[in-house]
Amino acid sequence: KAGVTQTPRYLIKTRGQQVTLSCSPISGHRSVSWYQQTPGQGLQFLFEYFSETQRNKGNFPGRFSGRQFSNSRSEMNVSTLELGDSALYLCASSNRGGGLEQYFGPGTRLTVT
Amino acid sequence: AQSVTQPDIHITVSEGASLELRCNYSYGATPYLFWYVQSPGQGLQLLLKYFSGDTLVQGIKGFEAEFKRSQSSFNLRKPSVHWSDAAEYFCAVGASGGYQKVTFGTGTKLQVIP
Repeated sequence: KAGVTQTPRYLIKTRGQQVTLSCSPISGHRSVSWYQQTPGQGLQFLFEYFSETQRNKGNFPGRFSGRQFSNSRSEMNVSTLELGDSALYLCASSNRGGGLEQYFGPGTRLTVT
Repeated sequence: AQSVTQPDIHITVSEGASLELRCNYSYGATPYLFWYVQSPGQGLQLLLKYFSGDTLVQGIKGFEAEFKRSQSSFNLRKPSVHWSDAAEYFCAVGASGGYQKVTFGTGTKLQVIP
């Protein structure tokens, strides 16, 4: 089975712009979770989608949003980028729920200048 | 709310030596517990998991972990470390049932010296 894929792998954006990141889960997995990883804050949970519905949400501002499509692929959008949004964004898929074992993609490295 | 503490930010061991990474969790019921490993520039890879049953669980790459309810701990061990084990290790706790988010510890960075 193919693993979790994330595109793009690297992205450079300017403050104030918006960005969309994509995640394709393992075939058959219905749960997709997103995490932000920074050296200072570690791994922080953004949100989880299960069968196109947001099931859990972390403590991030409304500038961070996501969605999941009927084929379980997920996108994450960040509007009005700030310098502090520079991070590695990780997507993880699970076959039943985000509270079980998750399989991570390689991440998208976002740099905001 | 659940939480995870990894008290060691950085650990250095010699190749061939044994390893133990500490993890303490806080959760009201029986937790789901995980250890993940992250190599530089990569995503996280699941090493092992505990849901119920035998408190000593075996994982990939020769790792094992022991769930101790009385100590709220889930320490990761390996009898003989290889240079390729150098990475960052994350302990995580999820709520039983699997329908709540997973909380990750801050990670322990392992350095292996020859």
